[in-house]
Amino acid sequence: QVQLQESGPGLVKPSETLSLTCAVSGYSISSGYYWGWIRQPPGKGLEWIGSIYHSGSTYYNPSLKSRVTISVDTSKNQFSLKLSSVTAADTAVYYCARPGYSGGWSLPFDYWGQGTLVTVSS
Amino acid sequence: EIVLTQSPGTLSLSPGERATLSCRASQSVSSNYLAWYQQKFGQAPRLLIYGASSRATGVPDRFRGSGSGTDFTLTISRLEPEDFAVYYCQQYGSSTFFGGGTKVEIK
Repeated sequence: QVQLQESGPGLVKPSETLSLTCAVSGYSISSGYYWGWIRQPPGKGLEWIGSIYHSGSTYYNPSLKSRVTISVDTSKNQFSLKLSSVTAADTAVYYCARPGYSGGWSLPFDYWGQGTLVTVSS
Repeated sequence: EIVLTQSPGTLSLSPGERATLSCRASQSVSSNYLAWYQQKFGQAPRLLIYGASSRATGVPDRFRGSGSGTDFTLTISRLEPEDFAVYYCQQYGSSTFFGGGTKVEIK
C-alpha cells in the first residue's frame, strides 16, 4: 500500500522560502507515476501546485510557477517542494499525492498524505 | 485555464435523501477528464469518481458521476451519515484545476 508523509517547518516567515518533503513508502518513486503537491488554505478549496516524475520532469501551476521548485530524490524515495518569497496568502495545508494509475502528468490523485499545515507569519 | 464552478455552495439534506451536485467548466473538458473528491473535516481528500463516471476502488455504488463537455454532476442516491462532507471536482484534461467545493450538510 502506497503511503505518503509530508514533513517540514510549520512556521515560515514572510519573504522566506517554504520547504517541505514527502516521504514515500510502499512504492518506489523510480518505478513511475507523476508525484504531486496540492495545497488548501484554511477553510478554502484545493489548489494544485505542481507534479514531478522520477526523471525530474516537472509541471507547475502557471500562477505559482515563478516561485515553485519541485525536486525528487530517488535514493531516499522522496520528493520535495520549495516555494519562495512566501506571504500570508501561502498559509495552507500542503498535501503530497499520487495518481491511482499512470498515463501522464495530469491525472486524478488517489493516494494522499495526511497534509501538513504551514503558517506564514513573522 | 479552465475554471470550474460548483453549485450549490451548500446543500442541506437529510439522511436517505438524494444529493445532486453540479460542476460547470468554463470550456469543454477534454476526454471528460473530470474527477470528484470527498473531503471530511481534518482529512485529506478521497477520490470518488474519475473520467466523469468511473468509480474509484472501494467507492459505494450510491455515488454516481455523469456529464460531459462543460456540465458534470455527482449524484448520491441515498445519503448515509458518513456522506456529509465537502465535495470537489477536478478537471485534468488541460493542466489540473479544482472547483471551489460543495458542502453537503445535515438538515
